[in-house]
Amino acid sequence: DAMVIQNPRYQVTQFGKPVTLSCSQTLNHNVMYWYQQKSSQAPKLLFHYYDKDFNNEADTPDNFQSRRPNTSFCFLDIRSPGLGDAAMYLCATSSPGLAGVGQFFGPGTRLTVL
Amino acid sequence: TQLLEQSPQFLSIQEGENLTVYCNSSSVFSSLQWYRQEPGEGPVLLVTVVTGGEVKKLKRLTFQFGDARKDSSLHITAAQPGDTGLYLCAGDSTDKLIFGTGTRLQVFP
Repeated sequence: DAMVIQNPRYQVTQFGKPVTLSCSQTLNHNVMYWYQQKSSQAPKLLFHYYDKDFNNEADTPDNFQSRRPNTSFCFLDIRSPGLGDAAMYLCATSSPGLAGVGQFFGPGTRLTVL
Repeated sequence: TQLLEQSPQFLSIQEGENLTVYCNSSSVFSSLQWYRQEPGEGPVLLVTVVTGGEVKKLKRLTFQFGDARKDSSLHITAAQPGDTGLYLCAGDSTDKLIFGTGTRLQVFP
């Protein structure tokens, strides 16, 4: 089945230790998104790629970086995680040609910072 | 800045009750989507509404888009424990979604 896959599902890191979260998709969608979601809150968009074009949200801290080496894969790098970065990180995809279909979300990676 | 406010923020009800969740904005959206998110999972799209005044039904769920395309509502009839989750409305805004503040629904048997 076509889907959005995130690895790992759970990630534990230490304060200040860089961490990378990965996302892959078999949907061949042009757009990939990274969201941060804290408990019982709505997802907060960090950035998105339209093909290779990177679009950063104005309030996304510099501590968060992203890479998209090809259509299928997208990575979220947190250079120096702080306690406040503990959250669920969601990857999503969409295709502009599929209006009304919405975004397809992965199951998320729950990040714990010790 | 485009904002979507949802109400109520939390809702705890008994199985069989009806409920309505509201999603309001001062901005106009070309379309609005509703998602449900279960614990430990990503949001899943329930419906997209596009036309002002549009009403869509999905089994026990009824979605309405306001005439001015600034607000929406989700009505659930005879809620079941399986309806428990975080309900999110989201407005379309040039390649990205503006998510509402969310409504956490708990349905007790």
